Amino acid sequence: EAGVAQSPRYKIIEKRQSVAFWCNPISGHATLYWYQQILGQGPKLLIQFQNNGVVDDSQLPKDRFSAERLKGVDSTLKIQPAKLEDSAVYLCASSPLTGYGTEAFFGQGTRLTVV
Amino acid sequence: SQQGEEDPQALSIQEGENATMNCSYKTSINNLQWYRQNSGRGLVHLILIRSNEREKHSGRLRVTLDTSKKSSSLLITASRAADTASYFCGLDQTGANNLFFGTGTRLTVIP
Repeated sequence: EAGVAQSPRYKIIEKRQSVAFWCNPISGHATLYWYQQILGQGPKLLIQFQNNGVVDDSQLPKDRFSAERLKGVDSTLKIQPAKLEDSAVYLCASSPLTGYGTEAFFGQGTRLTVV
Repeated sequence: SQQGEEDPQALSIQEGENATMNCSYKTSINNLQWYRQNSGRGLVHLILIRSNEREKHSGRLRVTLDTSKKSSSLLITASRAADTASYFCGLDQTGANNLFFGTGTRLTVIP
């Protein structure tokens, strides 16, 4: 079974530029998560999709971050414009179900450096 | 904000010793999950314990859950150098249908 695929693996941009990350979850997984992990900290949930609907985006900085999941499969996360504090690893994860008793499968992440 | 908090923040032990790390949380949960993260990699699921369970084992891992104290512990027995990683507890919160992570414990196993 193929795992969660993310691209690019690394990205360096200047502040105020835009960037987009892509995630392809495990086939058949209804739930997709985007997390931001700043160096030395735990992953912070940015947005959670159930199929192509948003379940939770309470911690997504909506003035600059946006995410979509077209047709309930692949997802993109965009930052526009980027700030220095957005430097982090962006992790995508998927799971077959939400709620009781389901583990999440993570991609390797995209390391973003904003200079 | 983080929903859980692990302690200690960092732990260094000799190979062969046991490692114990704890997770405390504030909300009601459906289940609690432990994950491992090697440097520069994504998180890997280790074990899941449901809210109506008190203890669970998987190989060298033992997890306990005390919902009255809102805390969990992860014990790794007979540690190996390959266990060096960061360990996170993930909280599946009741009624929220999401997965929040704690601050993590950085474990170093010295060969």
